[in-house]
Amino acid sequence: DGGITQSPKYLFRKEGQNVTLSCEQNLNHDAMYWYRQDPGQGLRLIYYSQIVNDFQKGDIAEGYSVSREKKESFPLTVTSAQKNPTAFYLCASSSSLTRGRISYEQYFGPGTRLTVT
Amino acid sequence: AQSVTQPDIHITVSEGASLELRCNYSYGATPYLFWYVQSPGQGLQLLLKYFSGDTLVQGIKGFEAEFKRSQSSFNLRKPSVHWSDAAEYFCAVGAYGNKLVFGAGTILRVKS
Repeated sequence: DGGITQSPKYLFRKEGQNVTLSCEQNLNHDAMYWYRQDPGQGLRLIYYSQIVNDFQKGDIAEGYSVSREKKESFPLTVTSAQKNPTAFYLCASSSSLTRGRISYEQYFGPGTRLTVT
Repeated sequence: AQSVTQPDIHITVSEGASLELRCNYSYGATPYLFWYVQSPGQGLQLLLKYFSGDTLVQGIKGFEAEFKRSQSSFNLRKPSVHWSDAAEYFCAVGAYGNKLVFGAGTILRVKS
């Protein structure tokens, strides 16, 4: 089955530690995205990548880093510089173009809940 | 810049009653509009989308939405709500750079 996988579903870390969240897709999508979700705030874009080896900062990139070495994978590292890392993190992907038109439609993974104490 | 407003943070409806969730967007050109649904602790699932053409779009699970350019709205409707529809609903608009801008969400509660 095609889709997006995120692992692990729950992650616990001590303050001051870096942690990497995994996101893999087998939809052959060019674009991938990372969002942070906090209660009552909707989804906020952390980083996105339109193509392999290229990525851009979103609205709340401070304290996060990403890489895009393979089309299928877009891992997110939450660094110790992120002041309030406890949140629900969602990864998504998009085909960028559908029938020659820009496709904004995004497909989401199941999410990772990160708790930092 | 594009923005999306969902005026209702929470809505409670009785099972079997009709539902309308409001969404207003800010965008200069013809928008690409979406409604997603999220069950607790899960990812988002696409309910329906509008790109062009017929302003009334049908989606999955019996949902529909109507695009009204004059009101900058894209409200989600369902004629008869089921208890399984209880979830959080997000409206989104396509933005420059192949991104989506999301509203803050509306939590739907269904009472029996």
